[in-house]
Amino acid sequence: QVQLQESGPGLVKPSQTLSLTCTVSGGSISSGDYYWSWIRQPPGKGLEWIGYIYYSGSTYYNPSLKSRVTISVDTSKNQFSLKLSSVTAADTAVYYCARDAADWGQGTLVTVSS
Amino acid sequence: SYVLTQPPSVSVAPGQTARITCGGNNIGSKSVHWYQQKPGQAPVLVVYDDSDRPSGIPERFSGSNSGNTATLTISRVEAGDEADYYCQVWDSSSDQHWVFGGGTKLTVL
Repeated sequence: QVQLQESGPGLVKPSQTLSLTCTVSGGSISSGDYYWSWIRQPPGKGLEWIGYIYYSGSTYYNPSLKSRVTISVDTSKNQFSLKLSSVTAADTAVYYCARDAADWGQGTLVTVSS
Repeated sequence: SYVLTQPPSVSVAPGQTARITCGGNNIGSKSVHWYQQKPGQAPVLVVYDDSDRPSGIPERFSGSNSGNTATLTISRVEAGDEADYYCQVWDSSSDQHWVFGGGTKLTVL
């Protein structure tokens, strides 16, 4: 069974770039017809899709975040990553990685504060 | 962009049936997923593609989708079903491929 684990700094300063990595175990990130996604959830609020990278390498981003988001894959490490630039306090959230709809990581809280 | 509307809260007594709706323009033409999220935990998929259940999800959870409304039905509700529930569609026709509803808090009385 595939497992996903997010990792990265829990605190980021305003205007800097948020960087997170999702490590996949129990399956190869380069095999299969899967979407590898990032989703976030501000404290006490609902879920927001950030974007995903298809197994072919194509990327799709939420239009509201598109200018600041990059999702990439490192097949050698079986990881995919999220970069969100020019962060503000509004980007404070629990960030989840997921494979399609069924398999999610446990989430990691990222706080944007000076 | 596509909008999904859920009631903020639904309350039900144990043993009764809970129905959580998800409204969207012609949502019946799209594939709907439902997630359950308990406090401090990641969302768990409970229904996918309108009405299918992942392995390990009780048969008490079912889904339907027609017209402008999709519905998650939880039969014989238990205390452990108390959680937030989110609907989600995949809308490849727009720039926002994944769209989530605002979530519904299910309270078991």
